[in-house]
Amino acid sequence: GAVVSQHPSWVICKSGTSVKIECRSLDFQATTMFWYRQFPKQSLMLMATSNEGSKATYEQGVEKDKFLINHASLTLSTLTVTSAHPEDSSFYICSARVNMNTEAFFGQGTRLTVV
Amino acid sequence: DQQVKQNSPSLSVQEGRISILNCDYTNSMFDYFLWYKKYPAEGPTFLISISSIKDKNEDGRFTVFLNKSAKHLSLHIVPSQPGDSAVYFCAAQGPFGNEKLTFGTGTRLTIIP
Repeated sequence: GAVVSQHPSWVICKSGTSVKIECRSLDFQATTMFWYRQFPKQSLMLMATSNEGSKATYEQGVEKDKFLINHASLTLSTLTVTSAHPEDSSFYICSARVNMNTEAFFGQGTRLTVV
Repeated sequence: DQQVKQNSPSLSVQEGRISILNCDYTNSMFDYFLWYKKYPAEGPTFLISISSIKDKNEDGRFTVFLNKSAKHLSLHIVPSQPGDSAVYFCAAQGPFGNEKLTFGTGTRLTIIP
């Protein structure tokens, strides 16, 4: 299947700093990528839809000024957690589809710990 | 509002037996359903899917059943193997054109050797 690569796989940062997470589609182009967040023992919750060349669409309750999404090319979307706080500690996962007729492929996820 | 629910947080099954994971949904606009397998600290891996125009889809040891009237789907794994131990998420999508996936809360499956 198609490959989606996410980097880094884990990161520890100090409270108040910003962290950037990259999501790349390695062998296909993705006009749309999705960012999810998963808290322990909970479901994956969609945070935002990242659209190449345009603004991301955020789900209700997700702060767009805190979670900055940039989809600069057809193979790369980035999520920046700005002014991170301990409550932002979570597992962040991106996904992308080759086209409307294929399933979504997920990155490996990024474990963010804010101390 | 949890539109996709997996009411069993955990399930233990003997190796070789059948594992049945259940999922219920409330949104009648969903028309495509998927099952994902997830290991700790990794992203979900796609297992099998089913369109709302079907009631069964089979792929090797995995079979997904869809009961639209009951808004219920299930994943059958037979025979269960130790490597099947993981968290399984069902996900729903729709209507057509809406790419968002709505996930259930997951069921941790443990296969007992």
